[in-house]
Amino acid sequence: ILNVEQSPQSLHVQEGDSTNFTCSFPSSNFYALHWYRWETAKSPEALFVMTLNGDEKKKGRISATLNTKEGYSYLYIKGSQPEDSATYLCAFPEYGNKLVFGAGTILRVKS
Amino acid sequence: KAGVTQTPRYLIKTRGQQVTLSCSPISGHRSVSWYQQTPGQGLQFLFEYFSETQRNKGNFPGRFSGRQFSNSRSEMNVSTLELGDSALYLCASSWGQGDPYNEQFFGPGTRLTVL
Repeated sequence: ILNVEQSPQSLHVQEGDSTNFTCSFPSSNFYALHWYRWETAKSPEALFVMTLNGDEKKKGRISATLNTKEGYSYLYIKGSQPEDSATYLCAFPEYGNKLVFGAGTILRVKS
Repeated sequence: KAGVTQTPRYLIKTRGQQVTLSCSPISGHRSVSWYQQTPGQGLQFLFEYFSETQRNKGNFPGRFSGRQFSNSRSEMNVSTLELGDSALYLCASSWGQGDPYNEQFFGPGTRLTVL
């Protein structure tokens, strides 16, 4: 059974803090890794699709790196803002369009 | 461009009943996948439809079924509802099938409560 793990489970930071979370996935048969942001009462929103030949991905204050040999990806948020509060999910494509999701990291940013 | 829409957004049913949920993908997208999220569980894959055919199926009992229409809209059905079926059901659409780089776009979900 394919296992995708995320840590920490939750994180409380102050506005302006930088933070990062980890996603661990099987290092064999890697094709891609997806990161999503899921705000309360909204739809999960795609952040990045990390690929084998990809470099660090960046979107505003959010960036992600990938280590396929050791099977992990980091998501970084620089200068966290209250609007960054959300659950951050990573997902590993198993086959077809089937995504295997981690349990997520809940981020709460206090102003 | 309109996003993925799901109806209804909230539903309350009793044990033993059946329920049908609907998902309209983004225009032009031909793949629709369904996921279940229950308290304490991550998003669990139910099934995927592409061009009106089920392409992948998750580890759920046969009470969970689905279909896709020629306009790519999809429905999922749960028969003989159990208390454990209470969950948020999300659908996701993408334009292609079988490509791990495919970005998938999620709807807001249907919150099903079984009493």
